[in-house]
Amino acid sequence: QVQLQESGPGLVKPSETLSLTCTVSGGSISNYYWSWIRQPPGQGLEWIASIFYTGSTNYSPSLKSRVIISVDTSKNQFSLKLSSVTASDTAVYYCARHTSLGTLFLFWGPGTLVTVSS
Amino acid sequence: DIQMTQSPSTLSAFVGDTVTITCRASQRISDSLAWYQQKPGKAPKVLIYRTSFLESGVPSRFSGSESGTEFTLTISSLQPDDSATYYCQQYNIYSTFGQGTKVEIK
Repeated sequence: QVQLQESGPGLVKPSETLSLTCTVSGGSISNYYWSWIRQPPGQGLEWIASIFYTGSTNYSPSLKSRVIISVDTSKNQFSLKLSSVTASDTAVYYCARHTSLGTLFLFWGPGTLVTVSS
Repeated sequence: DIQMTQSPSTLSAFVGDTVTITCRASQRISDSLAWYQQKPGKAPKVLIYRTSFLESGVPSRFSGSESGTEFTLTISSLQPDDSATYYCQQYNIYSTFGQGTKVEIK
């Protein structure tokens, strides 16, 4: 059974760059699409970006100008960078694996809370 | 962007009741609609995909249907364990989630 685990700083200062990594275990990162999704405290879910193991990417139009998603197949990891963060970027960030049907998320990490504050 | 409008935002019902949650898409999304259940502090879990296909292990009291751009999640014979927040998601073009429906047991 594939497992995902997010890691990265839990506190980021305003205007800085949020960086997170998702480590995949129990299976290869190859042959699948992977995504980042976030959820502000007490609010709904927002898809951020996705990447294929080959490096092909898709971004949410609303966040595209600030987001970079990348993959490292040698480490079975993919990563997220979100620049120029503000308090509104405070959220639980999840990584997830797509199914063959598309941007449908069957496997999720437990999530990591990132707080933007000085 | 495809917008998903979900209603109601909260609902309260008794054990054994049948409840419905509705999601309307701003444009046609084929059958690319999923329903997720999320409990506090946990990642969402897929209940239904392709509008009406039940994910493995999900109780049969959960069902999905559609009429045009309106999609419905029905929970028959509501159980205490069904207390959670439910989200619809379109995955026809990228991904968009509904605002969520919090289901409470009276």
